[in-house]
Amino acid sequence: KAGVTQTPRYLIKTRGQQVTLSCSPISGHRSVSWYQQTPGQGLQFLFEYFSETQRNKGNFPGRFSGRQFSNSRSEMNVSTLELGDSALYLCASSLAPVTGGANVLTFGAGSRLTVL
Amino acid sequence: GNSVTQMEGPVTLSEEAFLTINCTYTATGYPSLFWYVQYPGEGLQLLLKATKADDKGSNKGFEATYRKETTSFHLEKGSVQVSDSAVYFCALSDLGAQKLVFGQGTRLTINP
Repeated sequence: KAGVTQTPRYLIKTRGQQVTLSCSPISGHRSVSWYQQTPGQGLQFLFEYFSETQRNKGNFPGRFSGRQFSNSRSEMNVSTLELGDSALYLCASSLAPVTGGANVLTFGAGSRLTVL
Repeated sequence: GNSVTQMEGPVTLSEEAFLTINCTYTATGYPSLFWYVQYPGEGLQLLLKATKADDKGSNKGFEATYRKETTSFHLEKGSVQVSDSAVYFCALSDLGAQKLVFGQGTRLTINP
C-alpha cells in the first residue's frame, strides 16, 4: 500500500512569506503528526491531529498551525517565515493514537523548506 | 520532562565490525522505545521497537533490549555492512500523547 506522501518535497521561500505543506497518510490511518527536523534542534514535535481535532501541540509559536480534513489528509502552515524556520518538516501517520503500547508512526520523506 | 540521550556521533566503522549505539532515557511511567533510521534524503523508517521491560526488539540483524533498571535501549549489530550507513535515532513514546521524543541522532558510516 502507498506510504505517507508529503508535498512539496522541496521549496524555497523568503522571509515574511507563508507556506503550506501537505500530508496524505497511509490509507486507514486517522492520526497525523508533524515534526520539524533541524541540525541544531534535532527532531521536535509540532502537533498531532486525530479525527480533524488537534490533540497535542509542541512548543512552537502561533505562526505554526495545522489542520486535518475529513479524509485524514493534513496540512501545516507557517506564516511570516523566519530564517530559522528552514528545516525538514516530517509528517507521520498511524492507525490511531494509543497511550503507550506499540502504536507505530510511519513517516513520510519530508518537505524541505529553505527560507532566504 | 521525558528525554532521550544518545551517544555522541559520528561513528565510523569498518565493514563486518560490531556496532553499539548507546541510548538512555528519562521518562515517567513505562514508555515504549523505538529505534528509527534515516537514510540520506529520506524520512525516518522504524527499525525496531520494544514496549515493556526486558523486551528485545530485532530487525535486519539489529537488536535492542528494553532495560528498565538502567533506563537504556542500546542498539547493537554483530556485523555491519556498508548499506547500514545512515543516521540512527532512539525515541520514546510520551504516554498519553501521540508524540515521540527523539534523541539527537547518531550518524553511522561504514567503510568497505
